[in-house]
This record gives sequence, structure tokens and C-alpha cells, in this order.
Amino acid sequence: NAGVTQTPKFRVLKTGQSMTLLCAQDMNHEYMYWYRQDPGMGLRLIHYSVGEGTTAKGEVPDGYNVSRLKKQNFLLGLESAAPSQTSVYFCASRRTAMTSGNTIYFGEGSWLTVV
Amino acid sequence: DAKTTQPNSMESNEEEPVHLPCNHSTISGTDYIHWYRQLPSQGPEYVIHGLTSNVNNRMASLAIAEDRKSSTLILHRATLRDAAVYYCILRDDRPGTASKLTFGTGTRLQVTL
Repeated sequence: NAGVTQTPKFRVLKTGQSMTLLCAQDMNHEYMYWYRQDPGMGLRLIHYSVGEGTTAKGEVPDGYNVSRLKKQNFLLGLESAAPSQTSVYFCASRRTAMTSGNTIYFGEGSWLTVV
Repeated sequence: DAKTTQPNSMESNEEEPVHLPCNHSTISGTDYIHWYRQLPSQGPEYVIHGLTSNVNNRMASLAIAEDRKSSTLILHRATLRDAAVYYCILRDDRPGTASKLTFGTGTRLQVTL
């Protein structure tokens, strides 16, 4: 089972460059999330999606854009990378069923350094 | 989102039980208590969740106070592979919330031989 797959795993960017992180899930999940984690901190929500074609802002959305054109994919874009965006990025997904507490599955992370 | 308070770090000897506490005094009636853990250089993984009653699964047990203002994650026999950061999270599963997880800084568990 692939679960939640993130690409790339590691990337170094120069300030001002753009890039896209791809998240793919093979579990037919409706909800998808992008988080970032800075050293010694917990994860913070950037953007999320409750279904194909929908996106919403999370706690720290500035400097990022997202798209959910296909149900299985959730893309996170950095239009003009800044050193403050150096972080580890995690994608996650879950089913939409109203069953309480159904699990959120996380990818293994993408390490991004902006110099 | 309701907040949780956890100790920054705890230590345990291998094969001994570990009790990881979490305070959530502002919990609302619709909040579920979730525990996730994050192994080094990995994404978080689900451990256990509950609402009011104590819960057991193959990984751990969750003990919830009667007033729900605190909970304790119990690892019955800690192993070196349990060394991780453990997050106690309150999750609102009501319609329209997207069931977002709000992470604190968690408890870093160290397990020694």
C-alpha cells in the first residue's frame, strides 16, 4: 500500500524561485491537508481540501497556493520562495465519512531549504 | 480550537509502562481526544482516540478523566521503537470543521535500555 506519497522528498531552492510539491493518495480519501513543521515545533496547517475542486486556508496560508484538480492529488505551490519557508512539509488525507475519529494518514515529509 | 498542555519531555526504561499526561481543561462536548506520534524524520501516525470512555488498541490505552479535562496515554511496555514525540490533539468532527488537527509541541519520549 502506497498510502500518502509526497514528491520531492528533498529540494533546495534559491530565494524567489517557484516550485510545486505533489501529494498523492491512493485511498480514495476526500479530505487532504498540507502542514509545515519548523524545528522543535508542532505541525501547522497551511491549506486543506474537503473534496475535488475545493480548497481552503489553514493557519499559515500566506506565500502558498494549492490546487485539487483530481481527487487523489493535492498540490502545494510556492510562487516566490523565501528563506522563511524553509521547513518540512507534510501532506495528509482522510475519508469524509462522518464516523467519529477516522484516522488521518500522513506522508513521510518533504524537506525544503530556501537559500 | 481547544488547547492541550503536555510535558515537554519524559523518559522511560525499556519494557516499563509509560504514562503520558495531557490536560485539556477547555475541551468541548464535541471534541474527540486524539493521540498521534511522530518518529524521527517521519510523518505523524495515529495512535488512539476516544470521547468519554477508556480505550484500548494494539498500540496503547487511553484513559480519560470523568470530567474529560485530562487524559493519559498508556504504553504498556515501552520499547526503543516507541521513542517519539507524542501529540495530544482535540479534534472537532462536526460537519463543516474538516476535522483539522491542531498540533501543539507534544511530549518527547526517550526510552533507554
